[in-house]
Amino acid sequence: DIQMTQSPSSVSASVGDRVTITCRANQGISSWLAWYQQKPGKAPKLLIYAASSLQSGVPSRFSGSGSGTDFALTINSLQPEDFATYYCQQANSFPYTFGQGTKLEIK
Amino acid sequence: EVHLVESGGGLVQPGGSLRLSCAASGFPFSSFWMHWVRQAPGKGLVWVSRIISDGISTAYADSVKGRFTISRDDAKNTLYLQMNSLRAEDTAVYYCARGSGSHPYYFDSWGQGTLVTVSS
Repeated sequence: DIQMTQSPSSVSASVGDRVTITCRANQGISSWLAWYQQKPGKAPKLLIYAASSLQSGVPSRFSGSGSGTDFALTINSLQPEDFATYYCQQANSFPYTFGQGTKLEIK
Repeated sequence: EVHLVESGGGLVQPGGSLRLSCAASGFPFSSFWMHWVRQAPGKGLVWVSRIISDGISTAYADSVKGRFTISRDDAKNTLYLQMNSLRAEDTAVYYCARGSGSHPYYFDSWGQGTLVTVSS
């Protein structure tokens, strides 16, 4: 199975800050990567797919980058509603695997 | 609007069985791949199973292979997950998720989840 490792596991930031979360695969996955946002008690929401494509309806302050083994999710100008847990997911091969999550907290 | 509603969760003893359902509406259900993803309490997301749009091809995580069966009834716009030989480690919220149309390996719509608790 492909292992996905996110860093950091948690991060504190303030409204208006820029935050970057990284995700590393233990083998190359080309651009087969998605990012999800999950708020407590809610289902995940797709933000980014194919490493850098913004899902319809997602604010443009979210962006994704990377290919191969190293990927990043950047959130510009943090808004109060962005404080949540973020997961990466590889779609290169079965079984599809997720990172362990990064909790974004308010400083 | 896409709407996915899971049901069928509950408390079951180890070794028992449950069947989860996911009622879909707001999109042409038969045209989309569908997935089950689970999340143990306080833990991360784990992909469980998928079924492609024709229903012929299925895939499973190793942890559930041979115990869980995914199926779909396109006439009823419903996805199922038959879970047998349940173990304590299967305790989780189970989400059904739609595979994105052009990229069916990504999950672009999710239900609210149904909790399965395996305990004696």
